[in-house]
Amino acid sequence: DTEVTQTPKHLVMGMTNKKSLKCEQHMGHRAMYWYKQKAKKPPELMFVYSYEKLSINESVPSRFSPECPNSSLLNLHLHALQPEDSALYLCASSQAAGDPFGYTFGSGTRLTVV
Amino acid sequence: GEDVEQSLFLSVREGDSSVINCTYTDSSSTYLYWYKQEPGAGLQLLTYIFSNMDMKQDQRLTVLLNKKDKHLSLRIADTQTGDSAIYFCAGADQTGANNLFFGTGTRLTVIP
Repeated sequence: DTEVTQTPKHLVMGMTNKKSLKCEQHMGHRAMYWYKQKAKKPPELMFVYSYEKLSINESVPSRFSPECPNSSLLNLHLHALQPEDSALYLCASSQAAGDPFGYTFGSGTRLTVV
Repeated sequence: GEDVEQSLFLSVREGDSSVINCTYTDSSSTYLYWYKQEPGAGLQLLTYIFSNMDMKQDQRLTVLLNKKDKHLSLRIADTQTGDSAIYFCAGADQTGANNLFFGTGTRLTVIP
């Protein structure tokens, strides 16, 4: 298995809802990442988990809450989002944080906040 | 922080070569990468080059690196309609975590 799987592919949520994005990989990678990508923009790093511990939080608002239950899973819990949080949320993994041979990306969850 | 610039759009005819350019401000990245993103999809690593190399060839892809001018390019030979996508160059942040930072992206359109 050489993939990063993200669910759901699409999500529409209201500003008072609580939802979660899920990411899974079975490549034995020990680093996992959340990126946010707005339309026509490059991905921007949100969080980095290394060996299941949060190692980087790029000043992301607390309405986004990451969780890494085990080495294969990464969640992003969403609560009280704003319409400007609508974006493509990409999960990625690599053998270790900062793997020089690049990251494997999932196909993303397209989130719309109404 | 790192600034990485790319031209926004490129159109080529099927069968021609495409050249996508990237300029960056910080030359400390040990590796530089090219990623491809098709509509509505995630990013696919195409190739990477080690910073002490000038050129790397991988089938239809040729990467050129000019460290003096801080310029990276990706040449796609015999461009096909399936190559239509957004192409991002990327470097690795040298602040310990070595995380990726991306250029602005170039949308390549291949005309049949």
